[in-house]
Amino acid sequence: QQQVKQSPQSLIVQKGGISIINCAYENTAFDYFPWYQQFPGKGPALLIAIRPDVSEKKEGRFTISFNKSAKQFSLHIMDSQPGDSATYFCAASRISSGSARQLTFGSGTQLTVLP
Amino acid sequence: DSGVTQTPKHLITATGQRVTLRCSPRSGDLSVYWYQQSLDQGLQFLIQYYNGEERAKGNILERFSAQQFPDLHSELNLSSLELGDSALYFCASSLLAGSTDTQYFGPGTRLTVL
Repeated sequence: QQQVKQSPQSLIVQKGGISIINCAYENTAFDYFPWYQQFPGKGPALLIAIRPDVSEKKEGRFTISFNKSAKQFSLHIMDSQPGDSATYFCAASRISSGSARQLTFGSGTQLTVLP
Repeated sequence: DSGVTQTPKHLITATGQRVTLRCSPRSGDLSVYWYQQSLDQGLQFLIQYYNGEERAKGNILERFSAQQFPDLHSELNLSSLELGDSALYFCASSLLAGSTDTQYFGPGTRLTVL
């Protein structure tokens, strides 16, 4: 019930194209869904996040679409650029015992944007 | 630069040994998290501390332990090391423990167990 399933494992997109990464979860206690971007040799960095009371959130070229009933959410990268080439992780968060908030990460998607 | 520092950057050791990884959170952040990233297990939450106290435990082995000191830096101790412990270990920090504050990740420590 703690798992977050992410697909695809890898994605190759042409410059200017749309990159779409999908995630699904089971635990309805999750109430916060961030996406992290990780470049080689670096730690993950927060890209964009959404709460389940919103169906879509857009920040620049990055959009999260959220389907609460299907327990699925996705990241769309519009006008993909070579600089977007990185590994993307979806995550889900909930309050656990001790009033702590844990992140459960998906398995990651390695995005390559071809020039 | 996230403001979270981790030392050392690389660590090579032998099976059965013990190592200590160090993390300094962003200025003002009270919560520290440890994660393990490996090829087969992905990014896994290990443990969280808030203002010196343990707040949550994830998939942390009994051979591993952590603590957060009064100056809020944290150390992750790994003992009786096995080959399978080779991984990237990340520390992250956030302002509070239970809010949706952003977790800022450090650059990681790459541990290689030979």
